[in-house]
Amino acid sequence: ILNVEQSPQSLHVQEGDSTNFTCSFPSSNFYALHWYRWETAKSPEALFVMTLNGDEKKKGRISATLNTKEGYSYLYIKGSQPEDSATYLCAFRGYGGATNKLIFGTGTLLAVQP
Amino acid sequence: EPEVTQTPSHQVTQMGQEVILRCVPISNHLYFYWYRQILGQKVEFLVSFYNNEISEKSEIFDDQFSVERPDGSNFTLKIRSTKLEDSAMYFCASSEASLNTEAFFGQGTRLTVV
Repeated sequence: ILNVEQSPQSLHVQEGDSTNFTCSFPSSNFYALHWYRWETAKSPEALFVMTLNGDEKKKGRISATLNTKEGYSYLYIKGSQPEDSATYLCAFRGYGGATNKLIFGTGTLLAVQP
Repeated sequence: EPEVTQTPSHQVTQMGQEVILRCVPISNHLYFYWYRQILGQKVEFLVSFYNNEISEKSEIFDDQFSVERPDGSNFTLKIRSTKLEDSAMYFCASSEASLNTEAFFGQGTRLTVV
């Protein structure tokens, strides 16, 4: 059974704090790791698709790193703002038997206090 | 910006009734998916669809479920005889290619079976 875990489950930070969360996934048959940002009552919004070991991607104040050999990815948010409050989901895409589907983690719920 | 749209946003149905959840994927996308999230649990893959046929399905996607692309734009999920445990948020997604491109998600249909 392929398992994707995220930690922490939830996080409360003050505006301006920098924060990071972890996604761990199977290190075998890796194809891609997706990060999504999901605000309540909206569609999950794709942040990054990461495929290469050592990959580092950035979008504004949000960045992510990928280690496929050990099976983890970190998402960093620099200088958190209240509008960053959302659930951050990672999803693993395997190669071979599980070619199409995304296997999601439980998500990290981020609340940024003004 | 193109988006995936789902209707209805919320559906309440009696146990044993049939429901059809509707989705309009992004027009030039080739791969279509249904996922669901039962309250408090992970987002789970149900089925993927390509070239007018199912390309992969999960154990959840049993004979009670079916998908159809009745015309060039709609993609539907039918649940033949709903059970209480089918209550969940159902997400439709589409992507240009299957593996290392992002999947775009709709806002979801909240299905409540009573």
